[in-house]
Amino acid sequence: KNQVEQSPQSLIILEGKNCTLQCNYTVSPFSNLRWYKQDTGRGPVSLTIMTFSENTKSNGRYTATLDADTKQSSLHITASQLSDSASYICVVSYLGDMRFGAGTRLTVKP
Amino acid sequence: GAGVSQSPSNKVTEKGKDVELRCDPISGHTALYWYRQSLGQGLEFLIYFQGNSAPDKSGLPSDRFSAERTGGSVSTLTIQRTQQEDSAVYLCASSLRQGGFDTEAFFGQGTRLTVV
Repeated sequence: KNQVEQSPQSLIILEGKNCTLQCNYTVSPFSNLRWYKQDTGRGPVSLTIMTFSENTKSNGRYTATLDADTKQSSLHITASQLSDSASYICVVSYLGDMRFGAGTRLTVKP
Repeated sequence: GAGVSQSPSNKVTEKGKDVELRCDPISGHTALYWYRQSLGQGLEFLIYFQGNSAPDKSGLPSDRFSAERTGGSVSTLTIQRTQQEDSAVYLCASSLRQGGFDTEAFFGQGTRLTVV
């Protein structure tokens, strides 16, 4: 059973719109959570990292939030651009190990 | 090189043949992961190596899949008697353990395997 669940599986939005991706995890004890962006045909690249004590972190138009009590994280993308079309992967570290979500496939259309 | 290197970048093989995929992690990284990504699908965990510990093989889909990591560095993923459903991009990632936890994972560009 995957211990990191992401939703939705895929999402299509119009350029300029905002969107929010979800990540729920069950792994414990929790160390940190990362969001990765994977462009088509490329390897994933880290966007943000949050530890247990952090609730929110921004990287340009990307804002990640974390609720360690409910074990939920979200990635909010503001004013989407065509280049945001990619897969977004949530990765949770625990007990010296990492578990990856299956990702959300985002398509931004003009 | 400075990043994770995978080879070959593309591999086309006939059904039933064996293939070997190679991953060169970042020097000094103790953790190494193999994932695969089928067309339009998310990442599927295959196997995890951490230093000299026994690898976590819980993601290997069948006994046709095996992996080894020699000298704590280079890793080889072997698929025996390949099937068409093995066609996917196989991604390798490495990370450094600090303070008992793995730091950011750096990914290779992947090997695109096509079984015909």
